[in-house]
Amino acid sequence: QQQVKQSPQSLIVQKGGISIINCAYENTAFDYFPWYQQFPGKGPALLIAIRPDVSEKKEGRFTISFNKSAKQFSLHIMDSQPGDSATYFCAATPGNSGYALNFGKGTSLLVTP
Amino acid sequence: DADVTQTPRNRITKTGKRIMLECSQTKGHDRMYWYRQDPGLGLRLIYYSFDVKDINKGEISDGYSVSRQAQAKFSLSLESAIPNQTALYFCATSRTANTEAFFGQGTRLTVV
Repeated sequence: QQQVKQSPQSLIVQKGGISIINCAYENTAFDYFPWYQQFPGKGPALLIAIRPDVSEKKEGRFTISFNKSAKQFSLHIMDSQPGDSATYFCAATPGNSGYALNFGKGTSLLVTP
Repeated sequence: DADVTQTPRNRITKTGKRIMLECSQTKGHDRMYWYRQDPGLGLRLIYYSFDVKDINKGEISDGYSVSRQAQAKFSLSLESAIPNQTALYFCATSRTANTEAFFGQGTRLTVV
């Protein structure tokens, strides 16, 4: 069963627009929420991550918004560029060391010129 | 050199054959993972290991086995490959469960 639900499955955004990808989870023990970016032919790479003690984290054009009460978190890409075209995965894991990352199904983002 | 190296990068094998995918890492991390990626299904955990003596099943371990030969090496085996094991396989490593995971370039496996 998918512990992290991600939407949409695919997204097309014009250059300069805002890309928004959403994830939801049920396990209240989750306390680490990373986003990974994957380009074709490559392995996923960490883009940005947040812990539940903050509601937002920003790194350049990328922002994670976190809503603990709703058990949702989202990735916002401001001023989207064609080079942002990739597959994005949200993930979550409990703080307990006995676990591994649970990934969403991924979102394929295409930023058109 | 890459932090996480997977071999082979591509492999075509026949149904019923045994195949091993290998992974080595230079990060010095104890934790290593094997994930499978299928279109529309994301990354699903096959096995993970916290150290050489600690190996755990993930959500889709049936039909797979692993071996942790050393801190730096973690191999995935398909004892008798079947066509629905055709997928992209990724090895990863991390220092802890809730810190950055470093992925290899992946192995594209096709079972015919």
